Amino acid sequence: GQNIDQPTEMTATEGAIVQINCTYQTSGFNGLFWYQQHAGEAPTFLSYNVLDGLEEKGRFSSFLSRSKGYSYLLLKELQMKDSASYLCAALDSNYQLIWGAGTKLIIKP
Amino acid sequence: GAVVSQHPSWVICKSGTSVKIECRSLDFQATTMFWYRQFPKQSLMLMATSNEGSKATYEQGVEKDKFLINHASLTLSTLTVTSAHPEDSSFYICSARMEREYYEQYFGPGTRLTVT
Repeated sequence: GQNIDQPTEMTATEGAIVQINCTYQTSGFNGLFWYQQHAGEAPTFLSYNVLDGLEEKGRFSSFLSRSKGYSYLLLKELQMKDSASYLCAALDSNYQLIWGAGTKLIIKP
Repeated sequence: GAVVSQHPSWVICKSGTSVKIECRSLDFQATTMFWYRQFPKQSLMLMATSNEGSKATYEQGVEKDKFLINHASLTLSTLTVTSAHPEDSSFYICSARMEREYYEQYFGPGTRLTVT
């Protein structure tokens, strides 16, 4: 079956760094997405990785290892507005998104 | 670019009535649109995939006679929740995909449905 695993909840301090991990098992693989979702809002795109390695985009970076079925999202210089759910989603062989349950990130002052 | 709108953003209806939600791609042609449902504190659940001009493909467990999807043009798809019940109360999100960009979906802002 297809499965995405990510932690349910994480807590971090403002100004710090946090890494949210995601492991996936899918029928075929056409890339991995990270989305941010604030409560009551639709997901917003953060990153897309299809090749192994690290993609950096400002305070956010995303890493992919296809051989390990593993990705992480790294958030630096955390701000209070980064409090949200972070959704990991893998694109399968039919180009359908397989979603993780999301990681709720709580930022404390 | 690549903006998707949904209307209405929230709706309250009585049990037994039907509600229509519209999803529009504003500045591109969407050959494929997806409808998701999200319950509180849960992730997105794909309900159906619709391609312009053809019947929608529903995910297992989603009643096609209850959730009617029409994708009549390259910029509009509609989801009609028929004979709504309180358990249909949820956050409904659509997304749209361009013809040659198989990897990216553009999400609408979502519609909050409350059935009383």
